[in-house]
Amino acid sequence: QQQVKQSPQSLIVQKGGISIINCAYENTAFDYFPWYQQFPGKGPALLIAIRPDVSEKKEGRFTISFNKSAKQFSLHIMDSQPGDSATYFCAASRLKGVASGSRLTFGEGTQLTVNP
Amino acid sequence: NAGVTQTPKFQVLKTGQSMTLQCAQDMNHEYMSWYRQDPGMGLRLIHYSVGAGITDQGEVPNGYNVSRSTTEDFPLRLLSAAPSQTSVYFCASRSRGQQFFGPGTRLTVL
Repeated sequence: QQQVKQSPQSLIVQKGGISIINCAYENTAFDYFPWYQQFPGKGPALLIAIRPDVSEKKEGRFTISFNKSAKQFSLHIMDSQPGDSATYFCAASRLKGVASGSRLTFGEGTQLTVNP
Repeated sequence: NAGVTQTPKFQVLKTGQSMTLQCAQDMNHEYMSWYRQDPGMGLRLIHYSVGAGITDQGEVPNGYNVSRSTTEDFPLRLLSAAPSQTSVYFCASRSRGQQFFGPGTRLTVL
């Protein structure tokens, strides 16, 4: 059972454009929603994360929008650059509880290509 | 700090062979995890540990064993490798909600 569904599978945008990746989750106990960026041959690295008590979080060109009632969250990359070309994963977990925070549930991933 | 390190980077096994993937972290994190990454499936949790001597199963534990004798090390053992275990394996450690991933081990089982 895929508890976090991510779309699209792949995305091509032009330099300077906006990249948008969407995720939906099922488990209402999730209370931590990170996005990871992965370059080929590397491990995923935390990009930005949000807790459900806010609807938006912005860090530089990266913004997470969160809709608790719809159980959806999305990553927006403004002014996309060729260096942003990577695979992006959304994830969800529960921070409360002894072991829960170790259990990240990942989406399927989105391959982003930014053309120059 | 070296962060999370994994060895080897690449490995080819024959069906039925056993091996251990090594993982170490120097950040004194209590929580460590193993994930496998397969195309179109994201990362799936194999096993995790909340501290030395304590481990538990994740989503896809079958065919894998773990132990945690020290805070620093969290090895993953494949007892009898199968082609279905061909994947990229990532070890991670966690601090205050943020997971730090190692560079991965690409395993091929023939």
